[in-house]
Amino acid sequence: QSALTQPASVSGSPGQSITISCTGTSSDVGGYNYVSWYQQHPGKAPKLMIYEVSNRPSGVSNRFSGSKSGNTASLTISGLQAEDEADYYCSSYTSSSTLDWVFGGGTKLTVL
Amino acid sequence: QVQLQESGPGLVKPSQTLSLTCTVSGGSISSGGYYWSWIRQHPGKGLEWIGYIYYSGSTYYNPSLKSRVTISVDTSKNQFSLKLSSVTAADTAVYYCASREAWDYYFDYWGQGTLVTVSS
Repeated sequence: QSALTQPASVSGSPGQSITISCTGTSSDVGGYNYVSWYQQHPGKAPKLMIYEVSNRPSGVSNRFSGSKSGNTASLTISGLQAEDEADYYCSSYTSSSTLDWVFGGGTKLTVL
Repeated sequence: QVQLQESGPGLVKPSQTLSLTCTVSGGSISSGGYYWSWIRQHPGKGLEWIGYIYYSGSTYYNPSLKSRVTISVDTSKNQFSLKLSSVTAADTAVYYCASREAWDYYFDYWGQGTLVTVSS
């Protein structure tokens, strides 16, 4: 069982917007602005899409945005495109015991 | 730009030690400023942080794996390594090396990953 909770799957049609949630605790998501999001296409390494809750690395489309409220972080993808179909993982720094890092279980995004 | 490449056996027998190496290019481990990390992904599952090492040798491990994990660094070869002892089928996974800048809280560069299967 992953430390952060994500929905197993979400779907949307091209051009629509979707939001993926990531729920943790006050020891991770709620306690720090260190939530990051990764996109993973099949057979590929994860790619950083969002860092520190809402910042986009250079080269990442502005269709991707992040936010946080309490113990839940969210990734929103607007103007869905076929190439957005992938698995998405959230991650957070944590002060729980001595574990420094936790990930979500991943969300499969299907573009209909 | 930093590039990472994992290498090592793709098949390990139960009870043996899994050994992987990550070669870093485009940057020097000894210059500091990065935590060099190992992360794994069980087949069809999510990501699991294993641990990381600073160039100085300081290490941080996932408590659930700590008794079996050793991460080390070889600055002369610009490589860092993972050893996981007493492996079982539950350790079958794709193993990624990744980097994290010391003052940042995300993993920005990743290797392509290498599948390690534990089987007799």
